[in-house]
Amino acid sequence: DQQVKQNSPSLSVQEGRISILNCDYTNSMFDYFLWYKKYPAEGPTFLISISSIKDKNEDGRFTVFLNKSAKHLSLHIVPSQPGDSAVYFCAASRGNAGKSTFGDGTTLTVKP
Amino acid sequence: DTGVSQDPRHKITKRGQNVTFRCDPISEHNRLYWYRQTLGQGPEFLTYFQNEAQLEKSRLLSDRFSAERPKGSFSTLEIQRTEQGDSAMYLCASSHSSIYGYTFGSGTRLTVV
Repeated sequence: DQQVKQNSPSLSVQEGRISILNCDYTNSMFDYFLWYKKYPAEGPTFLISISSIKDKNEDGRFTVFLNKSAKHLSLHIVPSQPGDSAVYFCAASRGNAGKSTFGDGTTLTVKP
Repeated sequence: DTGVSQDPRHKITKRGQNVTFRCDPISEHNRLYWYRQTLGQGPEFLTYFQNEAQLEKSRLLSDRFSAERPKGSFSTLEIQRTEQGDSAMYLCASSHSSIYGYTFGSGTRLTVV
């Protein structure tokens, strides 16, 4: 039973446009959500997070939106840059329990 | 601080052999995690430590896997009697209990032949 799902394995966007990466979860006990970015031959890098008490968190070009009733979150990148090309993982946790559950990732390609 | 360090970066072993990986976390971080990742999938939780205490271990983890974190500093992950299905990237991460979000190492890629 996969509790965190990223249904789009890949996404391709033009430089300067918006990238929207989606994530769904099934466990209603999750109350903290994170996005990580991963380049080839490197470990994932923490990008941005959101608590379930919020519905939006913004950091520069990155914004995460949370819809608790739909158990859905999304990561918006605007404007997209070629250096954003990477695999993006959504993750969820229960409080500060330590353990996170990850989705299988979405490969973003930003074309110049 | 150079981040989370993992050693070795690559390991090729014959089926049935034992292997041990090492992780050196960021020194200020009291939590250390081990995850496993296979191609096309996200990191899968194996176990985590807070200081020297192992607080959680995945039920999916067979008894052939064991992890230690003596003195709450570096950690080792040992796999006994390796099987081909153990081939994966083994990721270590660290964090502080007051902060969300991990810092990952670059991983150890294990190939069992």
